Amino acid sequence: QVQLVESGGGLVKPGGSLRLSCAASGFTFSDYYMSWIRQAPGKGLEWVSYITSSGGTIHYADSVKGRFTVSRDNAKNSLYLQMNSLRAEDTAVYYCARNSPHGGTDYWGQGTLVTVSS
Amino acid sequence: DIQMTQSPSSLSASVGDRVTITCRASQAITNYLAWYQQNPGKVPKLLIYAASTLQSGVPSRFSGSGSGTDFTLTISSLQPEDVATYYCQRYNSAPLAFGGGTKVEIK
Repeated sequence: QVQLVESGGGLVKPGGSLRLSCAASGFTFSDYYMSWIRQAPGKGLEWVSYITSSGGTIHYADSVKGRFTVSRDNAKNSLYLQMNSLRAEDTAVYYCARNSPHGGTDYWGQGTLVTVSS
Repeated sequence: DIQMTQSPSSLSASVGDRVTITCRASQAITNYLAWYQQNPGKVPKLLIYAASTLQSGVPSRFSGSGSGTDFTLTISSLQPEDVATYYCQRYNSAPLAFGGGTKVEIK
């Protein structure tokens, strides 16, 4: 069965950096676009980024452009999110999700909490 | 960027009621729209894609309609397990965007 397991979340000071990882299993990872989506405490969903199956094209939300970098390693079935210059407003649960070829995101990880606070 | 606006932001209905949630795009997105359900404390779940196609395993009381800028999610007979926040998302082009969510409660 499809599994997505995020790791790397935690407490970081404003201006700091953090790298999230997502380990994928149960499907051919290299065939799928992947996304990062976040949810601030008590708030709605916010799309952060997606990366194509080969990693050749990546798109970002304006709120993270220039600070966050998405990458993937298809040999390791892994997705990454490098977050730099973190701000308090980046505090959220970060979900790794698989993009369905039909539209939308059909599988989500359990999420990892990132807290940016001094 | 194309914005997504959902209404209402919350609603309360009785078990068995028909519930309708609206999502409006600031520009036409043809049918590149998905709906998600997030039960309290849970991970979001894809309900509908391409505006009206039910994801495998989703109960048939859920349906979606619309095209262009106006879309609806309908629950034909509200059940207790449908208590959740529902989100629309457009995926026609980046940056992708979610609506603000509609919280559905049982009266």
